[in-house]
Amino acid sequence: NAGVTQTPKFQVLKTGQSMTLQCAQDMNHEYMSWYRQDPGMGLRLIHYSVGAGITDQGEVPNGYNVSRSTTEDFPLRLLSAAPSQTSVYFCASRWGGRSEKLFFGSGTQLSVL
Amino acid sequence: QQQVKQSPQSLIVQKGGISIINCAYENTAFDYFPWYQQFPGKGPALLIAIRPDVSEKKEGRFTISFNKSAKQFSLHIMDSQPGDSATYFCAASTNSGGSNYKLTFGKGTLLTVNP
Repeated sequence: NAGVTQTPKFQVLKTGQSMTLQCAQDMNHEYMSWYRQDPGMGLRLIHYSVGAGITDQGEVPNGYNVSRSTTEDFPLRLLSAAPSQTSVYFCASRWGGRSEKLFFGSGTQLSVL
Repeated sequence: QQQVKQSPQSLIVQKGGISIINCAYENTAFDYFPWYQQFPGKGPALLIAIRPDVSEKKEGRFTISFNKSAKQFSLHIMDSQPGDSATYFCAASTNSGGSNYKLTFGKGTLLTVNP
């Protein structure tokens, strides 16, 4: 049982490049989400999904796309990276229903030059 | 608009002392208040949580105090240890357990416990 797995752990991009941050969970969680963490800003919700085929925007969705084709995977796409997207990205998941505990991955540190 | 305000931004405590971190909120629809602990290079992990129908919850050395009328809640770490050195986030959510569940985090407190 690996929990929430994020890849890659580190990534450097040039402005305008695209990439996909991968997130997979093996706990059969219905809910998955992406947060970004910036110094002094806490954790801010980018996008979330309550099940396969269902996604919605969080607090800071601009510049990011998501899709949820399976229960296990929730990739985050940067279509045209900008320096403002330099951050640490965390994927998190939880059971549905009354269980609110979020399980976080170990993060992806992204630098956009 | 910051929905959950956390203070202090950083905190230094001596080993054996009490660490206190405070959070305030405005949205009275919040119905679940967790604290997450994050060590360097790791993702946050749930530490302890409370619902507004109780005023206090204790788990070992960690206690949440909740004041519904003041819309404030705090984390107390008794007998603080160097291993408690981490970043602590308070958070709040509405529609907990529902399909529209969203967890809003405070900005975090970096706790350093000196030996």
